[in-house]
Amino acid sequence: AQTVTQSQPEMSVQEAETVTLSCTYDTSESDYYLFWYKQPPSRQMILVIRQEAYKQQNATENRFSVNFQKAAKSFSLKISDSQLGDAAMYFCAYRRNQFYFGTGTSLTVIP
Amino acid sequence: SAVISQKPSRDICQRGTSLTIQCQVDSQVTMMFWYRQQPGQSLTLIATANQGSEATYESGFVIDKFPISRPNLTFSTLTVSNMSPEDSSIYLCSASDRGTEAFFGQGTRLTVV
Repeated sequence: AQTVTQSQPEMSVQEAETVTLSCTYDTSESDYYLFWYKQPPSRQMILVIRQEAYKQQNATENRFSVNFQKAAKSFSLKISDSQLGDAAMYFCAYRRNQFYFGTGTSLTVIP
Repeated sequence: SAVISQKPSRDICQRGTSLTIQCQVDSQVTMMFWYRQQPGQSLTLIATANQGSEATYESGFVIDKFPISRPNLTFSTLTVSNMSPEDSSIYLCSASDRGTEAFFGQGTRLTVV
């Protein structure tokens, strides 16, 4: 079975600074999708960014970007110019058919 | 994108009773999923709701305990049957098409007393 590992249970960042959240995954497939989701205390899971494995270019969405290393099976999320509203639990997810979620990283933003 | 309405948002139930959670999507979707999430933890897939056929359950989850319906491509229900305090959790509905991201409902916080 596919596994998704987030080795940082908690992270903190100063407001306006940059933080990187780590994610590694295990798969024997070559075609799949990767995602980062944000879950604030309201519980609503919100898509932050997605990456198709066949694309070599790293995805970017405004202040959010990823570093996708397919050979290393690594998929980290970089948040630039951190804002108070970025505080949440972040989940890395892998999809081939169904979704597999990591254990999450709780991000605190310090004013 | 898809908008998912899930209800109830929270409930407190007596042990031994059942609760049905509803999930409504604003567009037709291929796949719908039900997850359980303990506060501060990851999502555990309960089952994939299949339109027109029986749901596909993950290891550790059985139909008698978690019956699921999916009468069409926009609606699904999850019932938590014969509840015990161990069933207290957050239950999340999710919808997706093949090769796309998953969209989530707001979740149902269930407390069994």
